[in-house]
Amino acid sequence: GENVEQHPSTLSVQEGDSAVIKCTYSDSASNYFPWYKQELGKGPQLIIDIRSNVGEKKDQRIAVTLNKTAKHFSLHITETQPEDSAVYFCAARLYNFNKFYFGSGTKLNVKP
Amino acid sequence: ETGVTQTPRHLVMGMTNKKSLKCEQHLGHNAMYWYKQSAKKPLELMFVYNFKEQTENNSVPSRFSPECPNSSHLFLHLHTLQPEDSALYLCASSQANRGKNEQFFGPGTRLTVL
Repeated sequence: GENVEQHPSTLSVQEGDSAVIKCTYSDSASNYFPWYKQELGKGPQLIIDIRSNVGEKKDQRIAVTLNKTAKHFSLHITETQPEDSAVYFCAARLYNFNKFYFGSGTKLNVKP
Repeated sequence: ETGVTQTPRHLVMGMTNKKSLKCEQHLGHNAMYWYKQSAKKPLELMFVYNFKEQTENNSVPSRFSPECPNSSHLFLHLHTLQPEDSALYLCASSQANRGKNEQFFGPGTRLTVL
């Protein structure tokens, strides 16, 4: 099956700085890569996703990049704000399966 | 709100109790999932239902018993649990077989087994 690794496990940045979280996956058949944000007491919420036929996708301060050859994808948050503080999860889905494999999460702390 | 609700939000039970977790989705999706979230571990997929049929059982112990009476409701029946089963149990839904199959999560049930 698929194996997703996520780094770092914790990340602390100053407000206004950028944050980058990286994930690697093992199965080249994975074709869809969502990122989730989980705030305290809530379930994970999708913030951005990318499909394997695209190298980069942006949505305001959030961007995701995908390198299919190296099997890794990254989340980039620019101009971080205290409300960005949360746990972020990456995931990979195998083509045509209803199964998602999740990374172990990154706790992001944005200091005001 | 994501359109996926879970009850109860918190549950404390003894090892000999029987309880049930409930999930309801208001999104018209046809696939539903149970996940277990423990501290410092990746989300663990437990069960997947497509069109009310169970399509995935990820080697989950029989003390967890899922039920999907229709595509909007999903239950997780619990009996004779162990303290290590204490975790956040998350329900999710998606529209299977449509492109990226985005999942929407509920807020979870925080379960404590004494």
